[in-house]
Amino acid sequence: DAGVIQSPRHEVTEMGQEVTLRCKPISGHDYLFWYRQTMMRGLELLIYFNNNVPIDDSGMPEDRFSAKMPNASFSTLKIQPSEPRDSAVYFCASSLGTGSGQPQHFGDGTRLSIL
Amino acid sequence: AQSVSQHNHHVILSEAASLELGCNYSYGGTVNLFWYVQYPGQHLQLLLKYFSGDPLVKGIKGFEAEFIKSKFSFNLRKPSVQWSDTAEYFCAVIRGGGSSASKIIFGSGTRLSIRP
Repeated sequence: DAGVIQSPRHEVTEMGQEVTLRCKPISGHDYLFWYRQTMMRGLELLIYFNNNVPIDDSGMPEDRFSAKMPNASFSTLKIQPSEPRDSAVYFCASSLGTGSGQPQHFGDGTRLSIL
Repeated sequence: AQSVSQHNHHVILSEAASLELGCNYSYGGTVNLFWYVQYPGQHLQLLLKYFSGDPLVKGIKGFEAEFIKSKFSFNLRKPSVQWSDTAEYFCAVIRGGGSSASKIIFGSGTRLSIRP
């Protein structure tokens, strides 16, 4: 079975541009998570969805960040406009949540560089 | 607020040395505990998890962790490390029980460097 698939793997763009990160969770998983990882702040949970509905977006840094999950097999994280401090590795993860505490399966991440 | 503390930011060991990485959490109720490993340039992978039962949990690659409820700890151990264990290790906690997902809280990570 394919794991969590993220695209692109790398993105380099100029500040002010819109950036869209994509994620395909593992089929059948009903929870999807977006994380950001930096050297300074470590791994931060940005937002998570259950059955395509956003449950907790308290980790989203500011209004420039938005996330959607239009269906069970696809989610996007958008930054508009992007800033150099948004440079990080963004991970998507999914889990099968028949109850709480199920392990999360991570994608390979998108390495984002904002110049 | 809930927190997960990994006090060792960087651990350097020689091959065949024994390893123990500390993890403490602040939540007092039922918890589910995880250790993830991130090899250089790769994504996080689950090493082991504790939900209930035997507090000594065996994971992949010879790792184990012991849940000590009275100490709010879930330390990761390996009796003899290898160079290939060089990676960053993350402890994580989810509040257990109930039917709704609770937010997973990750520790700040411990970088493990193994000298060949």
